[in-house]
Amino acid sequence: EAGVTQFPSHSVIEKGQTVTLRCDPISGHDNLYWYRRVMGKEIKFLLHFVKESKQDESGMPNNRFLAERTGGTYSTLKVQPAELEDSGVYFCASSQESSSYNSPLHFGNGTRLTVT
Amino acid sequence: AQTVTQSQPEMSVQEAETVTLSCTYDTSESNYYLFWYKQPPSRQMILVIRQEAYKQQNATENRFSVNFQKAAKSFSLKISDSQLGDTAMYFCAFTPSNFGNEKLTFGTGTRLTIIP
Repeated sequence: EAGVTQFPSHSVIEKGQTVTLRCDPISGHDNLYWYRRVMGKEIKFLLHFVKESKQDESGMPNNRFLAERTGGTYSTLKVQPAELEDSGVYFCASSQESSSYNSPLHFGNGTRLTVT
Repeated sequence: AQTVTQSQPEMSVQEAETVTLSCTYDTSESNYYLFWYKQPPSRQMILVIRQEAYKQQNATENRFSVNFQKAAKSFSLKISDSQLGDTAMYFCAFTPSNFGNEKLTFGTGTRLTIIP
């Protein structure tokens, strides 16, 4: 089966610009997660979709971040306007079930975002 | 709030040797899951091993095993007979067993290099 794919792999933008990251989960996986790793720090949870609904968006940093998952398939994460502190690697993951023990997460390669 | 601490930012070991990566966590939850994830250079993060907190027996997956000390809140990973392919970032992660809304809390990672 195809894995979780993320696009683009790298993005370099200027402060104040807009960037949209895309994630295609494994087909049939209802659960989709976004995580972020700022350089040298821990990977932090951003939000969790179940199909097209936001189950938990408690990790979203602020209202400059907007995540969507129309139709319950792929997801986008838009940052508008981007700030320097948004730089980092954005990971997407998907799973069949919500239980992370019974249904481990499958991660994408991540999108490395650099805001200059 | 839960926290996960990995106190070894980098480690290196000769091929075929055994190496232990440390992880401690803090939580008030009574039941939870613990994971070790591995991210090889330029590749996807994959699950190495998982442990359910109420199971006293330490999990083992081939050359990978854990030393789970619940009272000490410690969850170390032992890699036996290390191979060049084990070179990667290793992340320890935790989640309460809250079915339907399980989000991982990660540590900052340990960069492991296997030396030929």
